Amino acid sequence: GENVEQHPSTLSVQEGDSAVIKCTYSDSASNYFPWYKQELGKRPQLIIDIRSNVGEKKDQRIAVTLNKTAKHFSLHITETQPEDSAVYFCAPSGGGADGLTFGKGTHLIIQP
Amino acid sequence: NAGVTQTPKFQVLKTGQSMTLQCAQDMNHNSMYWYRQDPGMGLRLIYYSASEGTTDKGEVPNGYNVSRLNKREFSLRLESAAPSQTSVYFCASMRQTGTSNSYEQYFGPGTRLTVT
Repeated sequence: GENVEQHPSTLSVQEGDSAVIKCTYSDSASNYFPWYKQELGKRPQLIIDIRSNVGEKKDQRIAVTLNKTAKHFSLHITETQPEDSAVYFCAPSGGGADGLTFGKGTHLIIQP
Repeated sequence: NAGVTQTPKFQVLKTGQSMTLQCAQDMNHNSMYWYRQDPGMGLRLIYYSASEGTTDKGEVPNGYNVSRLNKREFSLRLESAAPSQTSVYFCASMRQTGTSNSYEQYFGPGTRLTVT
């Protein structure tokens, strides 16, 4: 099965600075690369995703970049705000209905 | 649209007791999933149903059974609860179309289960 690792496990940044979280995976057949955000006590929600035929995707302050050769993809958050404080999960998959394999999560802390 | 709903929100069981967690979605999604979330472990797939009438094991199926009752409902049953099953359980659903560029999963609010 898919082996997924996220780094770092905790990331503390000053408000207004940028944050980058990296996800590495093992299955070369993976072709769908989402990032989920989970606020404390809430359900996970998709914030951005990318397919393998695209190298980068942006949505306002967040972006995802993919390096399929090296089998990793990253979440970039610019101009961080207090509401960005949450746990972020990557979940690379083959894009079918088989369910997702999540990384262990990165706790992002935004310092005022 | 309520999205994905789960009942109950909280439950405390004694070791050996049984219970069923209920999940329903009103988005006409084909696929449904059960995950458990433990501290520092992320979410792990227990069982899933790719379409009505089918169910398959995920990463951690031992101690659980599921039923896809109809397209809307997917239940998770613990036949004999153990302390190791103390966790937060999330149900999710996905539309899944062949031409879709996104396989977004929509999660329910979760059930916090404690087994003593």
